[in-house]
Amino acid sequence: AQSVSQHNHHVILSEAASLELGCNYSYGGTVNLFWYVQYPGQHLQLLLKYFSGDPLVKGIKGFEAEFIKSKFSFNLRKPSVQWSDTAEYFCAVASGNTGKLIFGQGTTLQVKP
Amino acid sequence: DVKVTQSSRYLVKRTGEKVFLECVQDMDHENMFWYRQDPGLGLRLIYFSYDVKMKEKGDIPEGYSVSREKKERFSLILESASTNQTSMYLCASSLGTTGSNTEAFFGQGTRLTVV
Repeated sequence: AQSVSQHNHHVILSEAASLELGCNYSYGGTVNLFWYVQYPGQHLQLLLKYFSGDPLVKGIKGFEAEFIKSKFSFNLRKPSVQWSDTAEYFCAVASGNTGKLIFGQGTTLQVKP
Repeated sequence: DVKVTQSSRYLVKRTGEKVFLECVQDMDHENMFWYRQDPGLGLRLIYFSYDVKMKEKGDIPEGYSVSREKKERFSLILESASTNQTSMYLCASSLGTTGSNTEAFFGQGTRLTVV
């Protein structure tokens, strides 16, 4: 069965610190990978996506993610976080066969000014 | 722009009531989804529809059913609402099954409270 696991549930960083949020999935076939962000009181917003090609993808607001097929991972990174990055981050995987989209449990990021 | 519209932003229902949550998309998308979002649990898939009248159970289908009689509309039904179904419900749609077609677009959410 398709599943997604985010290892960090709650992360607290100081401004300018580097960020890496882990995401692993289990699915044996073709996958399409996403990171979404939800700022306090707001709706889900797409940060970045991977379908094929270069496994290092860049998204909005300086975020990037790397797809490592052998590790079934799609970790999110940002070199230097800002207070405005405080939000909840969700990793999601869509099956390449059916398009079924499954989310991880989410990681709450708190950035201290 | 893709638009996914959920019929209500806020709903308050009584225990035991039958509740209908409606979702409409305007981009001829094949796939539609219903999720519930709860703190610490992320978005959990309730049901997924990949074509008209075609559906697949997600991770937490118990207590819910769905209907997709027309391509643009996907309804979530709570057969007999219970307090543990108090949650934020999110509808989404995507164009298809491959590559960029799997990108999902979300409605604004329905905050359901069952009292």
